[in-house]
Amino acid sequence: AQKVTQAQTEISVVEKEDVTLDCVYETRDTTYYLFWYKQPPSGELVFLIRRNSFDEQNEISGRYSWNFQKSTSSFNFTITASQVVDSAVYFCALSAGYAGGTSYGKLTFGQGTILTVHP
Amino acid sequence: EPEVTQTPSHQVTQMGQEVILRCVPISNHLYFYWYRQILGQKVEFLVSFYNNEISEKSEIFDDQFSVERPDGSNFTLKIRSTKLEDSAMYFCASSRRTNQPQHFGDGTRLSIL
Repeated sequence: AQKVTQAQTEISVVEKEDVTLDCVYETRDTTYYLFWYKQPPSGELVFLIRRNSFDEQNEISGRYSWNFQKSTSSFNFTITASQVVDSAVYFCALSAGYAGGTSYGKLTFGQGTILTVHP
Repeated sequence: EPEVTQTPSHQVTQMGQEVILRCVPISNHLYFYWYRQILGQKVEFLVSFYNNEISEKSEIFDDQFSVERPDGSNFTLKIRSTKLEDSAMYFCASSRRTNQPQHFGDGTRLSIL
């Protein structure tokens, strides 16, 4: 079965600190996709990144970076020099990468990590 | 930038009543989804829809739920006889292809009294 675990329920940092959000996943699929979504206080879900299981290169986008390690089944998200606007709930999610996979198309979400950035 | 739109933003309904939640997916997207999020909990998959039929549904999506694409633009979720435990935020999402990023609407907050 698909499972995503975000062990950190809440993180609180002061502006300009770096912060890493952890995500560990379980899947029997050999091909899969990993995602991060942001849910600001207004409630919408904002797509941040998609990574497929064959691509273990780390990715950087501005202050955001992602570290995918297949060996530990982890897909961690780091925000560098955090800002108050980064305050949100962050969800990691997983889907199968091929038809017939255990969750082809549908997203399995983790519990989310509440990030609060204080000025 | 095109976006998924959902109406209404908040729906208050008496228990046992039928409710229809509406979504307009992004126009060139082919795959459509409904998810729900009970307050303070994670987002849960309900159903996926492609080529005018359900592709997959979760155990939550029982006989009280149905989905429809009545025309070329709308995608609806109907709950036939609402229960208190149906109170949640319901998100519609769409994607161009399976496993392309799903883009979510702002959600409909459903409150069952």
